[in-house]
Amino acid sequence: KAGVTQTPRYLIKTRGQQVTLSCSPISGHRSVSWYQQTPGQGLQFLFEYFSETQRNKGNFPGRFSGRQFSNSRSEMNVSTLELGDSALYLCASRTNGQVDNYGYTFGSGTRLTVV
Amino acid sequence: AQSVTQPDIHITVSEGASLELRCNYSYGATPYLFWYVQSPGQGLQLLLKYFSGDTLVQGIKGFEAEFKRSQSSFNLRKPSVHWSDAAEYFCAVGVRDTGGGNKLTFGTGTQLKVEL
Repeated sequence: KAGVTQTPRYLIKTRGQQVTLSCSPISGHRSVSWYQQTPGQGLQFLFEYFSETQRNKGNFPGRFSGRQFSNSRSEMNVSTLELGDSALYLCASRTNGQVDNYGYTFGSGTRLTVV
Repeated sequence: AQSVTQPDIHITVSEGASLELRCNYSYGATPYLFWYVQSPGQGLQLLLKYFSGDTLVQGIKGFEAEFKRSQSSFNLRKPSVHWSDAAEYFCAVGVRDTGGGNKLTFGTGTQLKVEL
């Protein structure tokens, strides 16, 4: 079956703009999480959605937001982009909201560059 | 708060040699532990996971890891490394918040280079 699909793969935006990233989870997976990966900070948790509800949020400013649709697809939005938002944004899905069934399946990520 | 330490930033091994990547965690409850691998420009691929039971866990691509509660460690091993194993490896602990949310806390990663 198809894996986790993230679109677009690459994105270049100008400082001050906003951006929306999309994630389609594996069919049947209801939990979607987002992570930011940068060389300086490593992999950091952004937020988790399960059944259209945000269950958990990382330590990021309010400029970072997300949502999940009834078909479990998720989007994350970053407003008023800053140079430091340049990163690889990874989406991960799993069947339910619990950690302890099996590991998350990650997408290939969206590489965001802010200039 | 939970944390994961991967003390080795870079490791170089010769093809065919054995490999051990170190991971230490700090977490107050029973840990759910994972190893992921990432090739350049790609996402994370799950190698193996530990939830409970047998402390020696087998994964994909010939990798295994051993959970040692007394040492708070979850080291990744492979008896014979292949050139295609060159990648970055991440150890992670799965955390469930009191509010019911879940997340992974990652270590900083170990970059593996394989010499032919």
